[in-house]
Amino acid sequence: KAGVTQTPRYLIKTRGQQVTLSCSPISGHRSVSWYQQTPGQGLQFLFEYFSETQRNKGNFPGRFSGRQFSNSRSEMNVSTLELGDSALYLCASSLYQRTYEQYFGPGTRLTVT
Amino acid sequence: GENVEQHPSTLSVQEGDSAVIKCTYSDSASNYFPWYKQELGKRPQLIIDIRSNVGEKKDQRIAVTLNKTAKHFSLHITETQPEDSAVYFCAPSHTGNQFYFGTGTSLTVIP
Repeated sequence: KAGVTQTPRYLIKTRGQQVTLSCSPISGHRSVSWYQQTPGQGLQFLFEYFSETQRNKGNFPGRFSGRQFSNSRSEMNVSTLELGDSALYLCASSLYQRTYEQYFGPGTRLTVT
Repeated sequence: GENVEQHPSTLSVQEGDSAVIKCTYSDSASNYFPWYKQELGKRPQLIIDIRSNVGEKKDQRIAVTLNKTAKHFSLHITETQPEDSAVYFCAPSHTGNQFYFGTGTSLTVIP
């Protein structure tokens, strides 16, 4: 089985721009979660999608949004980028919600200049 | 919301020694207790997990123990090897809450 994939792997944007990141879960997995990882803050939960519905959201501003498609692929969008949004964005898929093993993708490294 | 703390934040051990990392949480509804390992430049990977109806689980050199009353669970690594060097995260959860990861413990195994 193919693992979780994320595109693009690296991205450089300027302040004020917007960005869309993509995540393809393991085949058959219906839950996709997104995380922001920074050296100082560790892994911060952004949101979780299950069967195309956002099931939970972390403590991030409304500039961060996401969606899930019927094939379980997910996208997250960040509008009006700020320097502090520079981070590694990881997505993870699992068979069901929350209390099951999560399989992480390789991440998208976003740099905002 | 859930308050998750890991101790210690950094740990150095000699090869062959044991390492113990503790994770404390505040949400008594948590019923799933995984540990993830993240090597430098790589993605986090589950190494062991335990559910609330079990007190201890072992997988070769790795074990997890759970104390639901005291709201903490611990990762035990015996006979440590250099390839155990990584950052370890705990992530207690239940279906009703968001994911909370601990702040991570950086383990260094000195050959």
